[in-house]
Amino acid sequence: NAGVTQTPKFRVLKTGQSMTLLCAQDMNHEYMYWYRQDPGMGLRLIHYSVGEGTTAKGEVPDGYNVSRLKKQNFLLGLESAAPSQTSVYFCASSYPGDLYEQYFGPGTRLTVT
Amino acid sequence: AQSVTQLGSHVSVSEGALVLLRCNYSSSVPPYLFWYVQYPNQGLQLLLKYTTGATLVKGINGFEAEFKKSETSFHLTKPSAHMSDAAEYFCALGTNFGNEKLTFGTGTRLTIIP
Repeated sequence: NAGVTQTPKFRVLKTGQSMTLLCAQDMNHEYMYWYRQDPGMGLRLIHYSVGEGTTAKGEVPDGYNVSRLKKQNFLLGLESAAPSQTSVYFCASSYPGDLYEQYFGPGTRLTVT
Repeated sequence: AQSVTQLGSHVSVSEGALVLLRCNYSSSVPPYLFWYVQYPNQGLQLLLKYTTGATLVKGINGFEAEFKKSETSFHLTKPSAHMSDAAEYFCALGTNFGNEKLTFGTGTRLTIIP
């Protein structure tokens, strides 16, 4: 099992550019999450999904969109990147039988200049 | 509203010394509590969790934590620190009331002094 994988690992964007981060999990988990991690602020939930075709807003959703077209994939989109979106982004997944044990991907380091 | 407070953003201990990382929570319903560890340039890994039952929970790598309801605490301890314990540690809070989200603390970076 690869677990949770994230693509790409690093990316540099210019202000106003768009990009999509891909998260994939091979554990057949129902729930998936996108977090951002910033120094001194811990992990903040951006969006999450409780099943294929469903998404919901987390704590800091502005400037991001998500889609869950397939159970194993959860995409995070930045339509018009801003320097404030410079961060490390983590994807996680979990399963209903143990809702709170989240499995994390290795992260994507995004810099917006 | 739920919240998690980790006291001390940076903790340094000598190799072989006791590790104590503090976590306090606020929740209006019975909590589920977790400790995650993040090694440099990696994602988070579950260290241990408390859901119900025994209040002293043992995790991987010799860590343990005790749920104290009266003190609203879930401090993480390890009797003897190893160099490999250097990492960032996150306390997280969940509840079993149809809420599939976790609330994370801001993290504590643990440094081990040789």
